[in-house]
Amino acid sequence: SQQGEEDPQALSIQEGENATMNCSYKTSINNLQWYRQNSGRGLVHLILIRSNEREKHSGRLRVTLDTSKKSSSLLITASRAADTASYFCATAKTYGNNRLAFGKGNQVVVIP
Amino acid sequence: DAEITQSPRHKITETGRQVTLACHQTWNHNNMFWYRQDLGHGLRLIHYSYGVQDTNKGEVSDGYSVSRSNTEDLPLTLESAASSQTSVYFCASSPPGGTEAFFGQGTRLTVV
Repeated sequence: SQQGEEDPQALSIQEGENATMNCSYKTSINNLQWYRQNSGRGLVHLILIRSNEREKHSGRLRVTLDTSKKSSSLLITASRAADTASYFCATAKTYGNNRLAFGKGNQVVVIP
Repeated sequence: DAEITQSPRHKITETGRQVTLACHQTWNHNNMFWYRQDLGHGLRLIHYSYGVQDTNKGEVSDGYSVSRSNTEDLPLTLESAASSQTSVYFCASSPPGGTEAFFGQGTRLTVV
């Protein structure tokens, strides 16, 4: 079974609004990562949160992790048209080797 | 700048043919990975390697093989291409103790 399964939502929002997407996973993890994929491109790492952390910020990104519920959320504040992309969460079971299990992704469209 | 490159970017092949997809990274990362991306499945791990002469099967390894003769390259071979292997293939690398994976631009493979 695949870890890191997002709610399979397609989100369409206006520029300036916040975008929130969720991810759930099934087994214990060392860390959870979020990646962005623009159409036709490779994935780009956004942020990592470790299993002993509850919240992390990076610029306009805020990620939360609830290990008791095995879930995470990614919030993008003040969205821009350039944020239009697919967003994936991925889990790593152990530190260091980065063998990731990806979810199905959330497609976000930001309307200018 | 260091990078990870995949070739070819697009390939059409016939059922039954052997196909090799190339992946080359210049970061000197020990860890390298091959994923396939299909609609409705997200990214699934095919094979991975933690160093020269080390290869491991991922969750969808049947019909695929890899070899690691140096640090920079991890070619992916489809022994006898099948239509079910039509997909977008991504190579990724990460350093030992790495906290993020770096992805190539992807290879779109069509098996007809």
